[in-house]
Amino acid sequence: GAGVSQSPRYKVAKRGQDVALRCDPISGHVSLFWYQQALGQGPEFLTYFQNEAQLDKSGLPSDRFFAERPEGSVSTLKIQRTQQEDSAVYLCASSLSGVGANVLTFGAGSRLTVL
Amino acid sequence: GIQVEQSPPDLILQEGANSTLRCNFSDSVNNLQWFHQNPWGQLINLFYIPSGTKQNGRLSATTVATERYSLLYISSSQTTDSGVYFCAVDHTGANSKLTFGKGITLSVRP
Repeated sequence: GAGVSQSPRYKVAKRGQDVALRCDPISGHVSLFWYQQALGQGPEFLTYFQNEAQLDKSGLPSDRFFAERPEGSVSTLKIQRTQQEDSAVYLCASSLSGVGANVLTFGAGSRLTVL
Repeated sequence: GIQVEQSPPDLILQEGANSTLRCNFSDSVNNLQWFHQNPWGQLINLFYIPSGTKQNGRLSATTVATERYSLLYISSSQTTDSGVYFCAVDHTGANSKLTFGKGITLSVRP
């Protein structure tokens, strides 16, 4: 596609519910990233895929967070048993290259509110 | 981890004015990018600039890697320039695990 597409744009969940956020990167982009942006803060790194391989998941805040990219294109970020502190905008980004000079293109984000 | 400091935190300009936004970082970097986040939350990549100088229309950026800072210049500002400007760096060399600064909130008034 022309850009990085994320869905849903807005999600309201009750505490304890599971949520799944989808990212459709730019076609042909090798690298895919998930970031979390709290209100008034800069984005923080969650995880990185090169094709279908998850090369870095050091930013995932707990084992309730899980990400996958099974066919090397679409990615899903899943949050189990959501907590209020999970409320944030979840940003997906992709880049053409696998290493080195990665210029990131971001999606519009998925805003999660946990009540 | 690497520290990224941006200044000033907030900036208010009259339309047509020029401005300089600064990003300091605490370690050598192999990747530095400037982003603009518009009022709707969309992050737009402005520059990939780990060193040197680049220009794109009314915007230009300079990174002095040896002194660990980067500057973003906005000339003849317009109301559409309003939003938050982020500097983000990667020092690992392995991938673009970018560390973002807290951002600079720019308001351009007509």
